[in-house]
Amino acid sequence: GENVEQHPSTLSVQEGDSAVIKCTYSDSASNYFPWYKQELGKRPQLIIDIRSNVGEKKDQRIAVTLNKTAKHFSLHITETQPEDSAVYFCAASAADYKLSFGAGTTVTVRA
Amino acid sequence: EPEVTQTPSHQVTQMGQEVILRCVPISNHLYFYWYRQILGQKVEFLVSFYNNEISEKSEIFDDQFSVERPDGSNFTLKIRSTKLEDSAMYFCASTWTGDQPQHFGDGTRLSIL
Repeated sequence: GENVEQHPSTLSVQEGDSAVIKCTYSDSASNYFPWYKQELGKRPQLIIDIRSNVGEKKDQRIAVTLNKTAKHFSLHITETQPEDSAVYFCAASAADYKLSFGAGTTVTVRA
Repeated sequence: EPEVTQTPSHQVTQMGQEVILRCVPISNHLYFYWYRQILGQKVEFLVSFYNNEISEKSEIFDDQFSVERPDGSNFTLKIRSTKLEDSAMYFCASTWTGDQPQHFGDGTRLSIL
């Protein structure tokens, strides 16, 4: 089955700096890559997603890049703010639509 | 914005007892999922459900687990005889078509004593 690896496990950044989280996947059939933000005790919330026919997607301060050849995708958060502090999960799915999640990255934005 | 709702928010059960976790997916959604998250770990897929049958299930989803859509609006996860290791947060998710983003509920925290 699909195996998604996520790095780093924790990330501390100064407010205003950028944060980058990287994920790799194993199944070349995977074609959908969402990113979820989870605050403590809350539901995972979709923040951005990308499909395999696109290399990059941006939504305000958040961007995702996908390299299908290398089977990796990354989340970029620019101009970080304290409210960006949370756990971020990458995920991948193929035609079966089930999401395989990475282990998560705890992002702390220092004021 | 419509949301997936889950009840109860917290369930405490004695080991060996049956438990039913309930979900009301977004009303026009057709694909339903259960995931679980053991404290501090990643979210893990349990089962997907479409057209009144299981589409896919993980190796976690053994004979002790079952899902049902009893009345066209609820989607339930039953654990027949709970074990200590079933303690986790259980999330329900739904989507309109299989390739659309999955919307998660707030989860049910299941504690097995």
